[in-house]
Amino acid sequence: AQRVTQPEKLLSVFKGAPVELKCNYSYSGSPELFWYVQYSRQRLQLLLRHISRESIKGFTADLNKGETSFHLKKPFAQEEDSAMYYCALSGQGGADKLIFGTGTRLQVFP
Amino acid sequence: GAVVSQHPSRVICKSGTSVKIECRSLDFQATTMFWYRQFPKQSLMLMATSNEGSKATYEQGVEKDKFLINHASLTLSTLTVTSAHPEDSSFYICSASIPGTGDYGYTFGSGTRLTVV
Repeated sequence: AQRVTQPEKLLSVFKGAPVELKCNYSYSGSPELFWYVQYSRQRLQLLLRHISRESIKGFTADLNKGETSFHLKKPFAQEEDSAMYYCALSGQGGADKLIFGTGTRLQVFP
Repeated sequence: GAVVSQHPSRVICKSGTSVKIECRSLDFQATTMFWYRQFPKQSLMLMATSNEGSKATYEQGVEKDKFLINHASLTLSTLTVTSAHPEDSSFYICSASIPGTGDYGYTFGSGTRLTVV
């Protein structure tokens, strides 16, 4: 079954601390993995996806097929990183449906 | 960039009435759109996938006759909640896959908060 698991509902850190938002997935095949972010009162927007292997706003995520994980990391959290983060997967080939995890709320305190 | 416009952003309706939510792709042709439902403090649950010119594919447990989806053009998909009940109150979000060779990102509408009284 296709599933995305984000075990933490809430993650609170102080500014400058490292951040790791966990994401594990279950998929029969080779999925595409994404991280989406939703800032307060804004629409959902793409943060990064594993195929591009890029760093956005200091965040990175490495796909670990052995552990079926796609954890999101940032070495030094900023207050403006406070938001809701969703891990998601889709099948390869584009235009496939996105399956979302339950989301993790990141709170960065000053 | 690829933008999806969703309207209305907020709607209140009486129980038993129908409500239509529109999702428009502003600067690209969206052959595939997705409709999600989000309960408070919960994740987005995919309701259905709509492809332009064909019937929508509904996820298990989603009532086709209650949530009517129409994707008659490459820039517009609509979700109609028929005979709405209070339990249909939720946040509905549309999404479109962004076309382009090797590019399968998605863009999201700003959502519609439906309250059925």
